[in-house]
Amino acid sequence: EPEVTQTPSHQVTQMGQEVILRCVPISNHLYFYWYRQILGQKVEFLVSFYNNEISEKSEIFDDQFSVERPDGSNFTLKIRSTKLEDSAMYFCASSTRDRGGGEKLFFGSGTQLSVL
Amino acid sequence: AQTVTQSQPEMSVQEAETVTLSCTYDTSESDYYLFWYKQPPSRQMILVIRQEAYKQQNATENRFSVNFQKAAKSFSLKISDSQLGDAAMYFCAITGANSKLTFGKGITLSVRP
Repeated sequence: EPEVTQTPSHQVTQMGQEVILRCVPISNHLYFYWYRQILGQKVEFLVSFYNNEISEKSEIFDDQFSVERPDGSNFTLKIRSTKLEDSAMYFCASSTRDRGGGEKLFFGSGTQLSVL
Repeated sequence: AQTVTQSQPEMSVQEAETVTLSCTYDTSESDYYLFWYKQPPSRQMILVIRQEAYKQQNATENRFSVNFQKAAKSFSLKISDSQLGDAAMYFCAITGANSKLTFGKGITLSVRP
């Protein structure tokens, strides 16, 4: 069964450093998402992406965050200047369509980001 | 705006028994979808079951079924014949016209052998 792949599984960084989290969505999917989960808390939506642009973003997704689909397969989340509170599990997800379908999201296994 | 409430932080069930996990929600949309996701210790998010709000029939996936009460905005998950592998965090979630999910806080299910 096809799956969403995320790398790395763990990332440790110093506060103020830039990190890039990488995702390879399922190949025929067109809609991509980033969610995050701070330890012990609920999963929160960050951003959705379609047709090479952001379609929706949450208030969490401020100027320090950016997303990109640099080629036909990868989908990345960049955090420019990490803060301690950015420590969380970051999930990438993809689906075949967005509008009106309540389509199933397929999640990757996550990247645990630890900011020291 | 959409909200999801899971008021029970933890539940426990004996292996082979049945357990029901509660969830209530609120939404201003007339067309929406409800989900239960399982998160084992590996922390991967696994879709358990999906319910279209316009369907009256409760969704079923093997040992997993839902009790969808639209008027009461309630969406509970029933796990029959509980197995040790069912031990995990379970999240209730809702989505509307797009696939952006709003999650509840989750409930930790433990299964006693």
